[in-house]
Amino acid sequence: DAGVTQSPTHLIKTRGQHVTLRCSPISGHKSVSWYQQVLGQGPQFIFQYYEKEERGRGNFPDRFSARQFPNYSSELNVNALLLGDSALYLCASSRAGYEQYFGPGTRLTVT
Amino acid sequence: GESVGLHLPTLSVQEGDNSIINCAYSNSASDYFIWYKQESGKGPQFIIDIRSNMDKRQGQRVTVLLNKTVKHLSLQIAATQPGDSAVYFCAESQNTDKLIFGTGTRLQVFP
Repeated sequence: DAGVTQSPTHLIKTRGQHVTLRCSPISGHKSVSWYQQVLGQGPQFIFQYYEKEERGRGNFPDRFSARQFPNYSSELNVNALLLGDSALYLCASSRAGYEQYFGPGTRLTVT
Repeated sequence: GESVGLHLPTLSVQEGDNSIINCAYSNSASDYFIWYKQESGKGPQFIIDIRSNMDKRQGQRVTVLLNKTVKHLSLQIAATQPGDSAVYFCAESQNTDKLIFGTGTRLQVFP
Protein backbone atom coordinates (compact mmCIF):
# COMPACT_ATOMS: atom_id res chain seq x y z
CA ASP A 1 0.00 0.00 0.00
CA ALA A 2 1.19 3.50 -0.75
CA GLY A 3 2.09 5.63 2.22
CA VAL A 4 1.38 9.30 2.75
CA THR A 5 2.53 11.33 -0.23
CA GLN A 6 3.39 15.02 -0.28
CA SER A 7 4.18 17.47 -3.04
CA PRO A 8 6.32 19.21 -3.90
CA THR A 9 9.44 17.70 -2.31
CA HIS A 10 11.33 20.97 -2.21
CA LEU A 11 10.26 24.56 -2.72
CA ILE A 12 12.04 27.89 -2.73
CA LYS A 13 9.98 31.04 -2.28
CA THR A 14 10.64 34.72 -1.69
CA ARG A 15 9.43 36.68 1.32
CA GLY A 16 5.86 37.91 0.86
CA GLN A 17 4.90 35.16 -1.57
CA HIS A 18 2.24 32.52 -1.08
CA VAL A 19 2.71 28.74 -1.05
CA THR A 20 0.42 25.71 -1.33
CA LEU A 21 1.54 22.31 -0.10
CA ARG A 22 -0.34 19.13 -0.89
CA CYS A 23 -0.86 15.84 0.89
CA SER A 24 -2.52 12.55 -0.01
CA PRO A 25 -3.29 10.28 2.95
CA ILE A 26 -3.01 6.53 3.16
CA SER A 27 -6.01 4.87 1.52
CA GLY A 28 -8.79 4.50 4.07
CA HIS A 29 -7.47 7.20 6.38
CA LYS A 30 -9.90 10.06 6.97
CA SER A 31 -7.80 12.25 9.24
CA VAL A 32 -4.95 14.48 8.08
CA SER A 33 -2.70 16.59 10.27
CA TRP A 34 -0.06 19.14 9.35
CA TYR A 35 3.14 19.81 11.29
CA GLN A 36 6.03 22.22 10.91
CA GLN A 37 9.51 21.00 11.77
CA VAL A 38 12.28 23.52 12.13
CA LEU A 39 15.80 22.14 11.85
CA GLY A 40 16.93 20.55 15.09
CA GLN A 41 13.49 20.51 16.71
CA GLY A 42 10.53 18.21 16.96
CA PRO A 43 7.47 18.73 14.73
CA GLN A 44 4.99 21.40 15.84
CA PHE A 45 1.28 20.87 15.26
CA ILE A 46 -0.44 23.23 12.79
CA PHE A 47 -3.83 21.72 11.84
CA GLN A 48 -5.86 18.55 12.10
CA TYR A 49 -8.75 17.66 9.79
CA TYR A 50 -11.18 14.77 10.06
CA GLU A 51 -13.92 14.11 7.55
CA LYS A 52 -13.25 17.54 5.98
CA GLU A 53 -13.84 19.35 9.27
CA GLU A 54 -11.14 21.20 11.19
CA ARG A 55 -10.63 19.42 14.50
CA GLY A 56 -7.72 21.36 15.87
CA ARG A 57 -5.42 24.27 15.23
CA GLY A 58 -2.00 24.92 16.70
CA ASN A 59 -0.44 28.21 17.71
CA PHE A 60 0.20 29.53 14.22
CA PRO A 61 -0.85 32.90 12.72
CA ASP A 62 -3.81 33.33 10.39
CA ARG A 63 -1.39 33.35 7.45
CA PHE A 64 -1.60 29.57 7.75
CA SER A 65 -4.75 27.88 6.48
CA ALA A 66 -5.70 24.42 5.32
CA ARG A 67 -8.53 22.40 3.94
CA GLN A 68 -9.45 18.79 3.30
CA PHE A 69 -11.14 17.60 0.15
CA PRO A 70 -13.87 14.94 -0.34
CA ASN A 71 -11.18 12.39 -1.27
CA TYR A 72 -9.47 13.20 2.08
CA SER A 73 -6.43 14.81 0.48
CA SER A 74 -5.41 18.12 1.97
CA GLU A 75 -3.74 21.42 1.20
CA LEU A 76 -1.78 23.71 3.49
CA ASN A 77 -1.59 27.33 2.42
CA VAL A 78 0.77 29.92 3.80
CA ASN A 79 0.42 33.59 2.83
CA ALA A 80 2.89 36.47 3.14
CA LEU A 81 5.85 34.17 3.69
CA LEU A 82 8.47 35.13 6.25
CA LEU A 83 12.04 33.89 6.54
CA GLY A 84 10.99 32.08 9.72
CA ASP A 85 8.55 29.94 7.75
CA SER A 86 11.50 28.01 6.31
CA ALA A 87 11.04 24.47 7.58
CA LEU A 88 10.07 20.92 6.75
CA TYR A 89 6.29 20.68 6.49
CA LEU A 90 4.97 17.28 7.39
CA CYS A 91 1.63 15.71 6.73
CA ALA A 92 0.36 12.77 8.75
CA SER A 93 -2.68 10.61 8.20
CA SER A 94 -4.62 8.30 10.49
CA ARG A 95 -7.93 6.48 10.56
CA ALA A 96 -9.33 8.55 13.41
CA GLY A 97 -6.49 10.35 15.18
CA TYR A 98 -4.39 7.59 16.70
CA GLU A 99 -1.42 6.01 14.89
CA GLN A 100 -0.44 8.95 12.75
CA TYR A 101 1.76 8.03 9.80
CA PHE A 102 3.91 10.73 8.29
CA GLY A 103 4.82 11.54 4.73
CA PRO A 104 8.32 12.51 3.60
CA GLY A 105 7.61 16.21 4.00
CA THR A 106 8.03 19.31 1.87
CA ARG A 107 11.19 21.31 2.45
CA LEU A 108 10.27 25.01 2.16
CA THR A 109 13.02 27.59 1.92
CA VAL A 110 12.07 31.27 2.10
CA THR A 111 14.70 33.74 0.86
CA GLY B 1 2.57 25.02 28.07
CA GLU B 2 2.47 21.22 28.15
CA SER B 3 5.47 19.63 26.53
CA VAL B 4 7.31 16.38 26.06
CA GLY B 5 11.00 16.43 26.82
CA LEU B 6 13.93 14.07 26.49
CA HIS B 7 16.73 13.63 29.01
CA LEU B 8 19.60 12.90 26.61
CA PRO B 9 20.12 14.72 23.35
CA THR B 10 22.68 12.16 22.07
CA LEU B 11 23.08 8.48 22.87
CA SER B 12 26.04 6.48 21.57
CA VAL B 13 25.93 2.68 21.73
CA GLN B 14 27.98 -0.16 20.37
CA GLU B 15 26.47 -2.39 17.72
CA GLY B 16 24.78 -5.34 19.35
CA ASP B 17 24.15 -3.61 22.67
CA ASN B 18 20.70 -2.63 23.92
CA SER B 19 19.65 1.03 23.72
CA ILE B 20 17.34 2.87 26.09
CA ILE B 21 15.92 6.24 25.12
CA ASN B 22 14.03 8.13 27.80
CA CYS B 23 11.28 10.73 27.69
CA ALA B 24 9.42 12.76 30.31
CA TYR B 25 5.97 14.12 29.68
CA SER B 26 4.12 16.76 31.65
CA ASN B 27 0.43 16.39 30.74
CA SER B 28 -1.07 13.86 33.12
CA ALA B 29 -4.21 13.80 30.96
CA SER B 30 -2.34 12.40 27.95
CA ASP B 31 -3.70 8.97 27.09
CA TYR B 32 -1.64 7.97 24.08
CA PHE B 33 2.08 7.93 23.40
CA ILE B 34 4.11 7.18 20.28
CA TRP B 35 7.76 6.72 19.42
CA TYR B 36 9.00 7.85 16.03
CA LYS B 37 12.32 7.35 14.25
CA GLN B 38 13.47 10.06 11.88
CA GLU B 39 16.38 9.63 9.50
CA SER B 40 18.04 12.59 7.87
CA GLY B 41 15.88 14.14 5.17
CA LYS B 42 12.90 11.89 5.85
CA GLY B 43 9.61 12.12 7.67
CA PRO B 44 9.13 10.52 11.10
CA GLN B 45 8.60 6.77 10.93
CA PHE B 46 6.13 5.14 13.33
CA ILE B 47 7.89 2.67 15.63
CA ILE B 48 5.52 1.72 18.43
CA ASP B 49 2.69 3.20 20.45
CA ILE B 50 1.13 2.64 23.84
CA ARG B 51 -2.09 3.73 25.48
CA SER B 52 -2.32 4.91 29.05
CA ASN B 53 -4.14 1.76 30.20
CA MET B 54 -0.96 -0.23 29.56
CA ASP B 55 2.53 -0.04 31.08
CA LYS B 56 4.46 -2.12 28.56
CA ARG B 57 4.20 -3.02 24.92
CA GLN B 58 6.58 -5.01 22.77
CA GLY B 59 7.28 -4.97 19.07
CA GLN B 60 10.00 -6.38 16.91
CA ARG B 61 13.24 -5.63 18.84
CA VAL B 62 11.55 -2.68 20.53
CA THR B 63 9.76 -2.29 23.85
CA VAL B 64 7.99 0.79 25.16
CA LEU B 65 7.54 1.25 28.90
CA LEU B 66 5.12 3.74 30.41
CA ASN B 67 5.31 4.86 34.03
CA LYS B 68 2.35 7.11 34.69
CA THR B 69 3.30 7.67 38.31
CA VAL B 70 6.39 9.64 37.33
CA LYS B 71 5.18 10.54 33.83
CA HIS B 72 8.04 8.75 32.13
CA LEU B 73 8.26 6.91 28.82
CA SER B 74 11.13 4.83 27.50
CA LEU B 75 12.02 3.04 24.28
CA GLN B 76 14.23 0.00 24.48
CA ILE B 77 15.92 -1.28 21.33
CA ALA B 78 17.42 -4.76 21.56
CA ALA B 79 20.62 -5.69 19.71
CA THR B 80 21.07 -2.22 18.26
CA GLN B 81 22.13 -2.17 14.62
CA PRO B 82 23.77 0.53 12.44
CA GLY B 83 20.43 1.00 10.70
CA ASP B 84 18.95 2.13 14.01
CA SER B 85 21.04 5.30 13.88
CA ALA B 86 18.58 8.20 13.68
CA VAL B 87 16.81 10.81 15.80
CA TYR B 88 14.09 9.37 18.01
CA PHE B 89 11.08 11.38 19.13
CA CYS B 90 8.47 10.58 21.69
CA ALA B 91 5.09 12.24 21.32
CA GLU B 92 1.98 12.45 23.48
CA SER B 93 -1.66 12.97 22.67
CA GLN B 94 -4.95 13.42 24.49
CA ASN B 95 -8.22 12.12 23.03
CA THR B 96 -6.74 11.68 19.51
CA ASP B 97 -5.87 15.35 19.56
CA LYS B 98 -2.66 16.82 18.23
CA LEU B 99 0.65 15.11 18.87
CA ILE B 100 3.06 17.03 21.09
CA PHE B 101 6.67 16.19 20.29
CA GLY B 102 9.87 16.59 22.23
CA THR B 103 13.12 17.83 20.72
CA GLY B 104 14.47 14.34 20.03
CA THR B 105 17.41 12.10 20.94
CA ARG B 106 20.07 11.25 18.41
CA LEU B 107 21.10 7.59 18.54
CA GLN B 108 24.56 6.84 17.19
CA VAL B 109 25.60 3.22 16.70
CA PHE B 110 29.31 2.49 16.38
CA PRO B 111 30.95 -0.83 15.41
